[in-house]
Parts: sequence; structure tokens; C-alpha cells
Amino acid sequence: QVQLVQSGAEVKKPGASVKVSCKVSGYTLTELSMHWVRQAPGKGLEWMGGFDPEDGETIYAQKFQGRVTMTEDTSTDTAYMELSSLRSEDTAVYYCATGLGVRAFDIWGQGTMVTVSS
Amino acid sequence: EIVLTQSPGTLSLSPGERATLSCRASQSVSSSYLAWYQQKPGQAPRLLIYGASSRATGIPDRFSGSGSGTDFTLTISRLEPEDFAVYYCQQYGSSPRGFGQGTKVEIK
Repeated sequence: QVQLVQSGAEVKKPGASVKVSCKVSGYTLTELSMHWVRQAPGKGLEWMGGFDPEDGETIYAQKFQGRVTMTEDTSTDTAYMELSSLRSEDTAVYYCATGLGVRAFDIWGQGTMVTVSS
Repeated sequence: EIVLTQSPGTLSLSPGERATLSCRASQSVSSSYLAWYQQKPGQAPRLLIYGASSRATGIPDRFSGSGSGTDFTLTISRLEPEDFAVYYCQQYGSSPRGFGQGTKVEIK
């Protein structure tokens, strides 16, 4: 079955960048459309962006435009999400998520806690 | 951008009772691309329902989804102790694939 394994927790200073990885096993990354969702402490789920197979490109939520970059390394079946110009409000758990046979997200990574603090 | 509004914010019920959760969209959701997720503390969300009414693999039949257009409902026919959690709806018919703000189902 498909598994998504994310990189470990990060602590960053305001203004820095963070790059979170999501390793796919059980399938190849090219067979999946990867998305990223974050959740601030005690808050709800927030979609950040992901690959839209109908458009053939990665779509970012307007809120993160210019600050987020989602990339893929198909040689290692690893997806990446890089967020720059970090601020305290970016403190959250970041999830990668995808759908296998469905467009909804039925497969999730375990989450990566990113803490932004001076 | 489609905005999803869930109600109520919190639902206080006892085990064995029926839970009815609502998700209203600001515009019609194309092809009923509406999903429901369950999330427990410290865990990633779990897909329950996709396509407004199809249960995901391994989801018990006490969970059911209905609706179309702008109004959707998640029903839990008889609450089990493990069902007390937060539930989110999400539309994935168009970008951005936003989520509702969540409904917490708590033990009364």
C-alpha cells in the first residue's frame, strides 16, 4: 500500500526558510498528485497547494503565493515543500497528502512540526 | 474561491445517539467533489467520505454522506466511543481545495 513518510520536526527563526520532505513508498511519485496541508496549533486544516492533473501544474493557495515552492524528485519518489520568509504564524504541523484512485486525500503523511521562534 | 461553512461548531452527544453535521458551500461544488475527514488529537486526518456520499475503504457503514450543490451532510447513525473527534469537510472540485472550519463532536 502507499505510505508517505515525512521528515522530522524543525525549529526556525523568523525570516528563515524550511524545506519539508515526503517520501513515497508502495507507489511511484509520478502516479500520484501530491498536496500539502498545514494545521496551526489548536486550529483547522489549511490547504497550501498541490499538483492539479487536469491543469498539469502545481497550484498554490493565494495566501502562500510567492512564499511556497512544491517540488518533486522522481528519482527518489520524494516530494518537497519549501516555505520562505517564515513568521511565527507559520508555526504548524505540515502534512503531505494524496489520493489513490480518488481525488480526495485518502493517504496522509504523519506530519512535520515546524516551529518558528526567535 | 469556494468557502465552506460547517455547523454546528460543537456537537455534544452521548454514545449511541445520532450525529448530523452540516457543510454549506458559498458556490456549487462541481461533480459533488466533497469529502469528509475525521481527525483525532495528535493524528493525521482520515478520509471518511468522498464524492459527497461514497465511503472510503474500511469506513464503517454508520457513517454516511449526502447532499449536492451547496448543501452537504455527514451523518453518524449511532455514535461509538471512538467517533468523538473533529470532522472537516473539503471541496476538491476546484482550486483552492479549501476545508471547512471543523465540527467537534464531544461526549455529553
